[in-house]
Amino acid sequence: KNEVEQSPQNLTAQEGEFITINCSYSVGISALHWLQQHPGGGIVSLFMLSSGKKKHGRLIATINIQEKHSSLHITASHPRDSAVYICAVSPYSGGGADGLTFGKGTHLIIQP
Amino acid sequence: DVKVTQSSRYLVKRTGEKVFLECVQDMDHENMFWYRQDPGLGLRLIYFSYDVKMKEKGDIPEGYSVSREKKERFSLILESASTNQTSMYLCASSRTGTGGLAKNIQYFGAGTRLSVL
Repeated sequence: KNEVEQSPQNLTAQEGEFITINCSYSVGISALHWLQQHPGGGIVSLFMLSSGKKKHGRLIATINIQEKHSSLHITASHPRDSAVYICAVSPYSGGGADGLTFGKGTHLIIQP
Repeated sequence: DVKVTQSSRYLVKRTGEKVFLECVQDMDHENMFWYRQDPGLGLRLIYFSYDVKMKEKGDIPEGYSVSREKKERFSLILESASTNQTSMYLCASSRTGTGGLAKNIQYFGAGTRLSVL
C-alpha cells in the first residue's frame, strides 16, 4: 500500500508570499493529484500529473518520478487561497477504477 | 460540468440505526467511490464500484455496505450506526478509459457530515 506524506501540515503566510507544499509517496504510481478543499467540504481537482510540470494561473505543480516527490507552488498568494491542499496518488491499474490514496492534507492560511 | 450530488449535507442519527447515504452522478461514469474523512487521518477509501452491481472493498469497509443498482447511483449503508462512524463522507466518480490519464480524475460530491449520537 502506498504511503503518502505531505508537509507541512499547517502553514500560515502573509499575502503575496510564495508558497510551497510538498508530497512524497512510497510506491510507483500512474498519476499524482493535487486537490483543494475549502471550508464546507467540497473537493476540487487542481492538477493531475504523471511527469514534469503543470501551471494554472498562480498555481504550479511539479513531480519527480525517480524521487517519488511532488510539489505544489502558489505564487503571489492571496487570502482566497486559504484552504486545505491534499495530495493523492493513483496506483498502477488498468482502467482508473481504483480508489486514490491520500495524504493528510496541508491547511494553508493566507493572512491579508 | 460533471455533477456528483450527495443527498444530504448534514445528518444526525442514533446509535443502532440503519443509515443510507446516497450519491448520484450525471456524467455516465463507470466508477464510483465512497470515502470518509477524519481530522488527522485524511480521506480513506471505504468501498468502490466499477460497474453496476459490482463492488470492491477499500481500506476500511468494516461496518459498511454498498449498493449499485443503477449506473448513476451509489449508496453507502451503515447497517447499525455507531459513534465511531461519525465523520464526513465523500462520494466521487470517474470514468474508465483505455487511453490517457484523464480516467484517473475523480469528481467529488460536496460531502455528508454524519453525526451518530
